[in-house]
Amino acid sequence: AQSVAQPEDQVNVAEGNPLTVKCTYSVSGNPYLFWYVQYPNRGLQFLLKYITGDNLVKGSYGFEAEFNKSQTSFHLKKPSALVSDSALYFCAVRVQYGQNFVFGPGTRLSVLP
Amino acid sequence: NAGVTQTPKFQVLKTGQSMTLQCAQDMNHNSMYWYRQDPGMGLRLIYYSASEGTTDKGEVPNGYNVSRLNKREFSLRLESAAPSQTSVYFCASRLLETQYFGPGTRLLVL
Repeated sequence: AQSVAQPEDQVNVAEGNPLTVKCTYSVSGNPYLFWYVQYPNRGLQFLLKYITGDNLVKGSYGFEAEFNKSQTSFHLKKPSALVSDSALYFCAVRVQYGQNFVFGPGTRLSVLP
Repeated sequence: NAGVTQTPKFQVLKTGQSMTLQCAQDMNHNSMYWYRQDPGMGLRLIYYSASEGTTDKGEVPNGYNVSRLNKREFSLRLESAAPSQTSVYFCASRLLETQYFGPGTRLLVL
C-alpha cells in the first residue's frame, strides 16, 4: 500500500530565511512524487513533480525538491521564503502506471515578516 | 478556458437528504477524480474515472456514488447524507502526471 507522511503539522520561518517542508513516502514500485500548495478557500495548485532523471527538481515560485531514494524522501525547499508563501502544502505519490494518488496530511507553512 | 469547475460552492444538508455535486473540465482530460478534505487527514480519494464510461472506488467510497456523464463531467452523489460526510470536496482532472483541481465544494450536514 502507498502512504505519505509529512512529519510536521506546522513550519514557521522568518521571511528571507530558507525553508524546508518534509515528506517521506512508501510505495511498491517506482514512485512519482508531487508537491501541491493550497491557499485559503482555494483548490490545490501544482508546484512540482519528480518522475525520473535528476533528483533535484525545480518548480513554480522558486520552489525545488530533492528526491532521495535511499531515504524515501522528497523534501520541498526554497532558498528565501516570502510572506506570500504562507499556505498549506501537500506531498503526494503515485506509483508508475497507477491511477491513484495518495496525499500526505499537509503541512501549514507560516512565513513571518 | 475555465479549467475545472465545481458547483455548488457551499451547501447545507439535513441528515438523510440527497444531493449531487457537479464537476466539469474543459481541458479534454481523460481521468477525473473526487476527493474529500478533512482537517489533519489530507485529501482522500472517493472515486475516480480513468476514462469516459469507467469509474472505480478509491479509499473512502462508502455513502457515495459517481457518474461519468461524458468526457467533461464527473458528478458525485450523496444518496442519504450523514454528518460524517461534512467535508470539503474537490474534483480534479489529470493530464499525464499532473492533476488540476477545482475550487471545491464545502458541505455541511446537520
